[in-house]
Amino acid sequence: AQTVTQSQPEMSVQEAETVTLSCTYDTSESDYYLFWYKQPPSRQMILVIRQEAYKQQNATENRFSVNFQKAAKSFSLKISDSQLGDAAMYFCAFTGNQFYFGTGTSLTVIP
Amino acid sequence: GAVVSQHPSRVICKSGTSVKIECRSLDFQATTMFWYRQFPKQSLMLMATSNEGSKATYEQGVEKDKFLINHASLTLSTLTVTSAHPEDSSFYICSARTGKRTEAFFGQGTRLTVV
Repeated sequence: AQTVTQSQPEMSVQEAETVTLSCTYDTSESDYYLFWYKQPPSRQMILVIRQEAYKQQNATENRFSVNFQKAAKSFSLKISDSQLGDAAMYFCAFTGNQFYFGTGTSLTVIP
Repeated sequence: GAVVSQHPSRVICKSGTSVKIECRSLDFQATTMFWYRQFPKQSLMLMATSNEGSKATYEQGVEKDKFLINHASLTLSTLTVTSAHPEDSSFYICSARTGKRTEAFFGQGTRLTVV
C-alpha cells in the first residue's frame, strides 16, 4: 500500500517570505505522479503543482516549485513571495492506481 | 480547467434513511472517479475507486454495503449512504480523472448531517 506523510501539521510564514512544506511517500510502483493540492476554507481542492516521477527536472509553477528526490521518496513544496491568499491546508498526493493524500499542512501567512 | 460538479452541497437526513450524492464531470469523460471522506481539519480519506462500467474498489475498513458506489457512465458516479447514522455525518468529496496517473479534478464536496 502507498503511504503519504506530511510531518508538519502547521506552518507559518511572513508575507513575502519563502516557506517549504515537506512530504515523503512510500510506494513499490515505478510509474506514478505526485501532486500538491491546496484546500482553502471553502474546502474546494485546487491543484497547485504536479510532478511526474519519471522526470528528473523539478516542476515549477510561478511562485510554487518542488524539490523531488525520487531515491529518498521526498517531494517538498516551496512557496516563494508568500501572499495572504496562500493561507490554506496543503495536501501532498500520490497517484498510481489509486489516489492518496497526506495528512495535510495548515499554512498561515502573517501580514 | 476541467469541471466536476457534486450535488447536493449540503444535506440533512434522518437516521435510518438513505441519501444519494452525485458526482458529474461536466466537460470531460472520467474513466476513474474517487470518493473521499474528510473529517474536520483532517486529510481526505480514500473510500473507494470506481472505474466506469465495473464494480468499485473499496479501501480496507470501508463498508461496501453501507456506501454504495455506482459509476454508470463516463460522466456520472453516485455514492449512496444507506441506513445513515449520526456517525456517518461528514464531508464527502468526489474527484475524477481522464486517465491513469493524471491529475484529479474535485467536486465542491457534500456536507452530510444525519440527525
